[in-house]
Amino acid sequence: AAGVIQSPRHLIKEKRETATLKCYPIPRHDTVYWYQQGPGQDPQFLISFYEKMQSDKGSIPDRFSAQQFSDYHSELNMSSLELGDSALYFCASRQAGGMNTGELFFGEGSRLTVL
Amino acid sequence: AQSVTQLDSQVPVFEEAPVELRCNYSSSVSVYLFWYVQYPNQGLQLLLKYLSGSTLVESINGFEAEFNKSQTSFHLRKPSVHISDTAEYFCAAMIPGATNKLIFGTGTLLAVQP
Repeated sequence: AAGVIQSPRHLIKEKRETATLKCYPIPRHDTVYWYQQGPGQDPQFLISFYEKMQSDKGSIPDRFSAQQFSDYHSELNMSSLELGDSALYFCASRQAGGMNTGELFFGEGSRLTVL
Repeated sequence: AQSVTQLDSQVPVFEEAPVELRCNYSSSVSVYLFWYVQYPNQGLQLLLKYLSGSTLVESINGFEAEFNKSQTSFHLRKPSVHISDTAEYFCAAMIPGATNKLIFGTGTLLAVQP
């Protein structure tokens, strides 16, 4: 079965650079969530989208922005990168309507390292 | 606001011994509860979930968790662990019908020793 696809899997950037992470949800899933997991930390909710509109916002820095496109894929843009942005970034998707199993399906994550 | 607490940051256990990973939640409304497992350098995989109905839920690899509303707990148990169960385990809660985001606990590292 198709899963959530995230790219790139690994990314190395310098401080003050910009990075873009992409997430391709499971087909027919209309909701996307972004999480940030720092070293040894639990995943922290950043932002979510439902039907291409922002549905919720968590602890996302102002330097970060995200959007969901017409094909439901989502991109997380991070600017003026700081050392503390080094983390594993997870995307998750679900289908809001229909049979709501409650489950979020997670991608393998994109590991960002800021030097 | 909802919150999830995992009191044990690390649980060492010998192979074939039983284990319990504790999870407590706090919420003013009904929640869905989940356990996710994260193997080293990998993503989050759903282990089991409680939405409604039977309070005892089981996974295909021998784990089970019991929802206890009065104690606001959702502890994870396995009667006999294997080396391959070594991983980080996250308990998570979701308020259904809202934005359905997951709130995670801080995780418990299950370290199975031979």
